Amino acid sequence: DAGVIQSPRHEVTEMGQEVTLRCKPISGHNSLFWYRQTMMRGLELLIYFNNNVPIDDSGMPEDRFSAKMPNASFSTLKIQPSEPRDSAVYFCASSFPGSTEAFFGQGTRLTVV
Amino acid sequence: DAKTTQPPSMDCAEGRAANLPCNHSTISGNEYVYWYRQIHSQGPQYIIHGLKNNETNEMASLIITEDRKSSTLILPHATLRDTAVYYCITGGDNQGGKLIFGQGTELSVKP
Repeated sequence: DAGVIQSPRHEVTEMGQEVTLRCKPISGHNSLFWYRQTMMRGLELLIYFNNNVPIDDSGMPEDRFSAKMPNASFSTLKIQPSEPRDSAVYFCASSFPGSTEAFFGQGTRLTVV
Repeated sequence: DAKTTQPPSMDCAEGRAANLPCNHSTISGNEYVYWYRQIHSQGPQYIIHGLKNNETNEMASLIITEDRKSSTLILPHATLRDTAVYYCITGGDNQGGKLIFGQGTELSVKP
């Protein structure tokens, strides 16, 4: 398996634009997690899904952020409108049901100018 | 907030054992200790986890004190590629990716 695949690896956008980050979990994993990493706040869990259903989105910073998982092999994290303070590395991770181990993607580095 | 305390940074000589401490004095009876590491510009990587017995795998050993209030991750023969930030996390036995990361320990392995 190629692991968790995220795209794009790097994204530079202007303030006010819509940004969509994509994630393909490892096949067979039914849990998917979105994280954000900044120097100030470290790694933060934004939202996670079980069986394509959002379970806990309490980490989503505000209504400008939304996440979807239309099927077991694809998820998106959307920011609309984007702001400079959204600049961060966004990670997606997946795990098996009831697993103790999560597998992370390589991340998407987002820069909002 | 993270429920663990780790030193912000440590150095280790290449080929020597790296011993990374973690304090988790408020850990509950059914919570595990997990260790992840993050090499620069990569996503976090699972290393090992344990409940109360010492654990060993191909990457590292985990020593948990009898009172479970602290633990030590041991990399027996550190290499330059072990330079990374190491995170100690506590959670349930099916934690998966639902992790609360602290600031971790930045380990520098030096030649």
